[in-house]
Amino acid sequence: QKEVEQNSGPLSVPEGAIASLNCTYSDRVSQSFFWYRQYSGKSPELIMSIYSNGDKEDGRFTAQLNKASQYVSLLIRDSQPSDSATYLCAVPQTDSWGKLQFGAGTQVVVTP
Amino acid sequence: NAGVTQTPKFQVLKTGQSMTLQCAQDMNHNSMYWYRQDPGMGLRLIYYSASEGTTDKGEVPNGYNVSRLNKREFSLRLESAAPSQTSVYFCASSLTENIQYFGAGTRLSVL
Repeated sequence: QKEVEQNSGPLSVPEGAIASLNCTYSDRVSQSFFWYRQYSGKSPELIMSIYSNGDKEDGRFTAQLNKASQYVSLLIRDSQPSDSATYLCAVPQTDSWGKLQFGAGTQVVVTP
Repeated sequence: NAGVTQTPKFQVLKTGQSMTLQCAQDMNHNSMYWYRQDPGMGLRLIYYSASEGTTDKGEVPNGYNVSRLNKREFSLRLESAAPSQTSVYFCASSLTENIQYFGAGTRLSVL
């Protein structure tokens, strides 16, 4: 079973600051990576995907990928209380088409 | 457009009882999934269906059965519920292989 590791947190971030979340994965063959956001008591929703090394920006979110080091990160700039949620890293299983391997998630708490 | 609809939203069972969790999607997706989510464990795949008529075991299939009734519907059955099956269950569907859309979840307690 391939591994996807995340720090569970909680990661406490002052409002307006940058939240930095990390995810490492064990499968060197992985080519695509996804970040899902899950509010407490709600279902996960896709917020970012990244396929190439480097940075990908979408609004206040930036995903960073380093395949050589096997990590992907998510930065949340100008953090808002509405960003308080659990963020799940997901990596497709390369030995089984159509399935995602999820990390356990990092809980982010943005404090006013 | 409702997306992915799960029923029921909450359920309490006694050990040994059976029940079926229902899931339907209206996005014409081929692939459907059942996950369970436990504290600190993330999402774990129970069963998966790539298309109508096909199902495949995931990471934690023991104690569960599934039926892909048609392209829209994918049900999860617990034949004899155990306290270890207390969890939040999510159904998801996808068109492309990796972008999954989730239902609101079913919160199940087995006493």
